[in-house]
Amino acid sequence: GAGVSQSPRYKVAKRGQDVALRCDPISGHVSLFWYQQALGQGPEFLTYFQNEAQLDKSGLPSDRFFAERPEGSVSTLKIQRTQQEDSAVYLCASSLFMDQQFFGPGTRLTVL
Amino acid sequence: GNSVTQMEGPVTLSEEAFLTINCTYTATGYPSLFWYVQYPGEGLQLLLKATKADDKGSNKGFEATYRKETTSFHLEKGSVQVSDSAVYFCALNNAGNMLTFGGGTRLMVKP
Repeated sequence: GAGVSQSPRYKVAKRGQDVALRCDPISGHVSLFWYQQALGQGPEFLTYFQNEAQLDKSGLPSDRFFAERPEGSVSTLKIQRTQQEDSAVYLCASSLFMDQQFFGPGTRLTVL
Repeated sequence: GNSVTQMEGPVTLSEEAFLTINCTYTATGYPSLFWYVQYPGEGLQLLLKATKADDKGSNKGFEATYRKETTSFHLEKGSVQVSDSAVYFCALNNAGNMLTFGGGTRLMVKP
């Protein structure tokens, strides 16, 4: 079956632009996670959904970051007024409930 | 809070050499421990896991034992192959939902 997919795979934005990153989880997976991976570092947690409910957003670095999952399936991570420090790979993961997380290939965001 | 520390790379080995990548953690309670692998151009994949003290996770010839007394989960393989070249991440999940990752260790295996 299909794994977690993310789009776009690469995104270049000018500083100040808004971007939207999409995650399609494995069908039927209840839990969905977003992580941010800076170059040469490990992923860091951003936010977590259980179905459509955002249960934890403690990792979002600022109020410019916003995530949603309105129908409990596809999720979008939006970054407003992008800054250079937002450059990173954004990873999405899903799990059936609270078990093994399956990761997507990531979206590499470069802010110029 | 929770944290994971793993040895910095890159680790460069010859084929068939023995591999150890050290990982230690800080956490309250009883976290589950994981090793993830990221092959070039691919996403993170779960390599192995252990959910309680003294458990040994194993997969594809890799092993790691959950040592609560030393708060460690070192990754080992007896004979590495060129195809094992990748970045390896140690991680924990402590009664929550998110994973806490170490910084990653790049392994390069030369023929």
